[in-house]
Amino acid sequence: EPEVTQTPSHQVTQMGQEVILRCVPISNHLYFYWYRQILGQKVEFLVSFYNNEISEKSEIFDDQFSVERPDGSNFTLKIRSTKLEDSAMYFCASRELSGSKETQYFGPGTRLLVL
Amino acid sequence: RKEVEQDPGPFNVPEGATVAFNCTYSNSASQSFFWYRQDCRKEPKLLMSVYSSGNEDGRFTAQLNRASQYISLLIRDSKLSDSATYLCVVNNAGGTSYGKLTFGQGTILTVHP
Repeated sequence: EPEVTQTPSHQVTQMGQEVILRCVPISNHLYFYWYRQILGQKVEFLVSFYNNEISEKSEIFDDQFSVERPDGSNFTLKIRSTKLEDSAMYFCASRELSGSKETQYFGPGTRLLVL
Repeated sequence: RKEVEQDPGPFNVPEGATVAFNCTYSNSASQSFFWYRQDCRKEPKLLMSVYSSGNEDGRFTAQLNRASQYISLLIRDSKLSDSATYLCVVNNAGGTSYGKLTFGQGTILTVHP
């Protein structure tokens, strides 16, 4: 069964450093998402991406964040200058184009710890 | 009012018990509804979509009441493996959206022998 993959599984970084989280969505999916989950809190939407551009973003997704689909398979989330409060689990998700196939499938996540 | 609200629990039930979870959502324009389960430190995984007519998948039954903006999940004959956090999830909670999912806080279920 196809699945969303994410690398790395864990990342530890110093405050102020840049991090790039990588995701490989399911191959025939066209919508891509990033969510985050701070420990003990709910899953929160960050950004959606379709047709090579951001389609929607949340208040959390400020100028420190960016997303990119550099090639036909990868989808990345970059945090330019990490803050302590960026420590969280980051989940990538993808779904098929439209219609009844709207289920979003989540990757296993990257646990980011900012020191 | 929270966009998606759930009783956080925890619910501690014996094997074989029937347990029900409830959820309310605030945006009447919401279009799609789901229950996901999340195991400790893992990703959310779709348990089932929720349809207006109600739907069943084995031991799991989901109901949607659009008038009351209320979603429920019933688990019959609980198994130890059902122990997890159950997430009530709403799509398009913000109106125009490209599939943004809005999650509830989750309800913790522990099934004991």
